[in-house]
Amino acid sequence: QVQLVQSGAEVKKPGASVKVSCKASGYTFTGYYIHWVRQAPGQGLEWMGWINPNSGATNYAQKFQDRVTMTRDTSINTPYMDLSRLRSDDTAVYYCAREAHGYFDYWGPGTLVTVSS
Amino acid sequence: EIVLTQSPGTLSLSPGERATLSCRASQSVTNSYLAWYQQKPGQAPRLLIYGASNRATGIPDRFTGSGSGTDFTLTISRLEPEDFAVYYCQQYVNSPWTFGQGTKVEIK
Repeated sequence: QVQLVQSGAEVKKPGASVKVSCKASGYTFTGYYIHWVRQAPGQGLEWMGWINPNSGATNYAQKFQDRVTMTRDTSINTPYMDLSRLRSDDTAVYYCAREAHGYFDYWGPGTLVTVSS
Repeated sequence: EIVLTQSPGTLSLSPGERATLSCRASQSVTNSYLAWYQQKPGQAPRLLIYGASNRATGIPDRFTGSGSGTDFTLTISRLEPEDFAVYYCQQYVNSPWTFGQGTKVEIK
């Protein structure tokens, strides 16, 4: 069965970076794009970007263009999302999601990132 | 960027009642590239509907998606206790992928 297992919660200081992982299993890792979506406390869903696990190509939302880096390690079926220069309003749950023809058919459980001094 | 506006913000209904949720797009969602997700507190979103009207695997037939162009609807024919949640629409016509702000279906 398809599973996306994310890394644990993080607490970071403003200005620091965070790297969230999302280990995929139960399907051919290189066959599906992975997207990252975040959700601030009590707020809606915000798309951040995608990575093509096969080629490593990425596409980022303009809002995050200069602060986010999405990578992957195909040897362990794991994509990563790195967000730098963290601010308090980056406090959110970060989800990875598998794309099937545009929509997201499987989601990870989410990783809470708290940015606080 | 396609902006999605969901209405109402909150829907207060009783179990057994019918729920009608709206999602309006700022421009045409070509090929009906619109999905609906359900999210319960502390959980990740779950795919309900894709292609505007196709139920995802395992989704009960009380959930129906309809619409085209700029106006889409999610209907829950008879609310079950487990259906009280927040629902989001999402377009995947082009980048950036965008979501509506959500409709909360709460118990009246």
